[in-house]
Amino acid sequence: GESVGLHLPTLSVQEGDNSIINCAYSNSASDYFIWYKQESGKGPQFIIDIRSNMDKRQGQRVTVLLNKTVKHLSLQIAATQPGDSAVYFCAEKWSGGSNYKLTFGKGTLLTVNP
Amino acid sequence: NAGVTQTPKFQVLKTGQSMTLQCAQDMNHNSMYWYRQDPGMGLRLIYYSASEGTTDKGEVPNGYNVSRLNKREFSLRLESAAPSQTSVYFCASSVWGRAADTQYFGPGTRLTVL
Repeated sequence: GESVGLHLPTLSVQEGDNSIINCAYSNSASDYFIWYKQESGKGPQFIIDIRSNMDKRQGQRVTVLLNKTVKHLSLQIAATQPGDSAVYFCAEKWSGGSNYKLTFGKGTLLTVNP
Repeated sequence: NAGVTQTPKFQVLKTGQSMTLQCAQDMNHNSMYWYRQDPGMGLRLIYYSASEGTTDKGEVPNGYNVSRLNKREFSLRLESAAPSQTSVYFCASSVWGRAADTQYFGPGTRLTVL
């Protein structure tokens, strides 16, 4: 998994498997978290977000889990498809600070093998 | 509704040349941002504009200037390009800068400085 501040890790899965992408964040005051997907040659695309008063949020084929105790965030993708191949970034925000400051992790490269 | 558009898509400059990267959004958003993305690193905020008529420095503003031309347009200028500014530049916008306001990204400008 990735950490806001480390080299780009990779994850390779088979089509149809579930994928889990991890992210460790550093600011214990962060209270809003977002996952972005970035396909090759494109800009980041919003996937799902979660507030710090929640520990789980589900979207279409994606689930985000938040563990504030250990400052850990994960993105689960069900039945991974080749179109899911991309770099996935987590980002954190602290609403008590500069509202414009969104801190990004360095990303995890997900490769889906057909 | 095109979202966030950026021009040009690609640019090659020689050291010392100047250029302006253009960004426009048609979502009636108030806040706009410029990021750079370097290999193995997350997106880093260069400048942002919380609302029309205001601009503020982000994490890496040195060597750049910005102009919020109107509500739709936010440009980034490199007055004297340096090889260290070789990067992919992304513009983003959001309704406001609140934690829950999703930032939407453009497709990026790939800049090489020789």
